[in-house]
Amino acid sequence: NAGVTQTPKFQVLKTGQSMTLQCAQDMNHEYMSWYRQDPGMGLRLIHYSVGAGITDQGEVPNGYNVSRSTTEDFPLRLLSAAPSQTSVYFCASSPTRPNEEQFFGPGTRLTVL
Amino acid sequence: GQQVMQIPQYQHVQEGEDFTTYCNSSTTLSNIQWYKQRPGGHPVFLIQLVKSGEVKKQKRLTFQFGEAKKNSSLHITATQTTDVGTYFCAGAGSDSWGKLQFGAGTQVVVTP
Repeated sequence: NAGVTQTPKFQVLKTGQSMTLQCAQDMNHEYMSWYRQDPGMGLRLIHYSVGAGITDQGEVPNGYNVSRSTTEDFPLRLLSAAPSQTSVYFCASSPTRPNEEQFFGPGTRLTVL
Repeated sequence: GQQVMQIPQYQHVQEGEDFTTYCNSSTTLSNIQWYKQRPGGHPVFLIQLVKSGEVKKQKRLTFQFGEAKKNSSLHITATQTTDVGTYFCAGAGSDSWGKLQFGAGTQVVVTP
């Protein structure tokens, strides 16, 4: 099992550009989520999904879109990148719900100029 | 809304010493999880506590869940250089299914 994979590892964008951060898991987990990590602020929940076709907003959803067309994939889209979105992004999954062990991907370090 | 706070933010420890990091929630939690993130790495699950007053041990690490299920602590004895990293607590309130909230973390630096 590869676990949770994320691509790319690093990305530099210019303000206003759009891009998609990819996340995939091969553990047949129903629950998937996206977090951003900024210094001194811990991990903040952006969006989450409890199963294919179902998504909901987390704590900091503005500027991000998600979809969940399959159990395995949960991409995160930045519609129009802003410098405030410079961060490290982690995708995580768990079998069914958030209050179970979360398996994290290796992260994507995004810089917006 | 629910807030999860951790103290201290930074902890400098001499190798061999003990220390404790604390986690407090503004609301009652269904359970509490603890994660460790090594520098440059991703969070890795350590343990989950579910019951009021629960205490669990993993070698030199002792985790405790408060009686009111609103606070938790992680105590590390005889700190080693391998304990370096950031320790996060995370919990979901009983009325907020789907939204796991992380504390800001305690960054631990160990001096040999």
